[in-house]
Amino acid sequence: EAQVTQNPRYLITVTGKKLTVTCSQNMNHEYMSWYRQDPGLGLRQIYYSMNVEVTDKGDVPEGYKVSRKEKRNFPLILESPSPNQTSLYFCASSLSVGGGYTFGSGTRLTVV
Amino acid sequence: KQEVTQIPAALSVPEGENLVLNCSFTDSAIYNLQWFRQDPGKGLTSLLLIQSSQREQTSGRLNASLDKSSGRSTLYIAASQPGDSATYLCAVKGSTLGRLYFGRGTQLTVWP
Repeated sequence: EAQVTQNPRYLITVTGKKLTVTCSQNMNHEYMSWYRQDPGLGLRQIYYSMNVEVTDKGDVPEGYKVSRKEKRNFPLILESPSPNQTSLYFCASSLSVGGGYTFGSGTRLTVV
Repeated sequence: KQEVTQIPAALSVPEGENLVLNCSFTDSAIYNLQWFRQDPGKGLTSLLLIQSSQREQTSGRLNASLDKSSGRSTLYIAASQPGDSATYLCAVKGSTLGRLYFGRGTQLTVWP
């Protein structure tokens, strides 16, 4: 089944403890992207990647890192999480510039 | 920067009504526009994708139109059902490769 898989689905962590949220797609898509969704603010793009080793910042990149070493994987790294990074995170992928996006099921992160 | 606005923010209607959800965007230089559905606490499900060269797309009871020059799209839902209750999101793929901009959504409730 063609899909975008995020792990974990739920995560509770403490301030400052490094964490990684994984994202993998099995559709050979070129473009991958991370978003966070917050009440009243909607979905905002964190980082995106146009291909292996090509990444760029979205609207809210502060406090996050990404890497794209393989086409199928695009992990989101929080080096030192803070409570303001508590949010619902989505990974998405798209075949090409003209393609639509497929979204993962989301990761609900709570930083205490 | 691309700004995407969705009106109304919320809509509550009886079953059987035909509905129109509106999406507007400020920069007409887009690749495509995608409509999504999101159920509470869930991921995004793609409904319709309209390329910048197209005027409309249809899927079952859903019809989406695009007027790129005026920066508007509408999602028409025919004969609404309680199962249509969800938040509907409009997303515009901008001229910068990899960038996707979301509206804040229209929360739809269809009651029996």
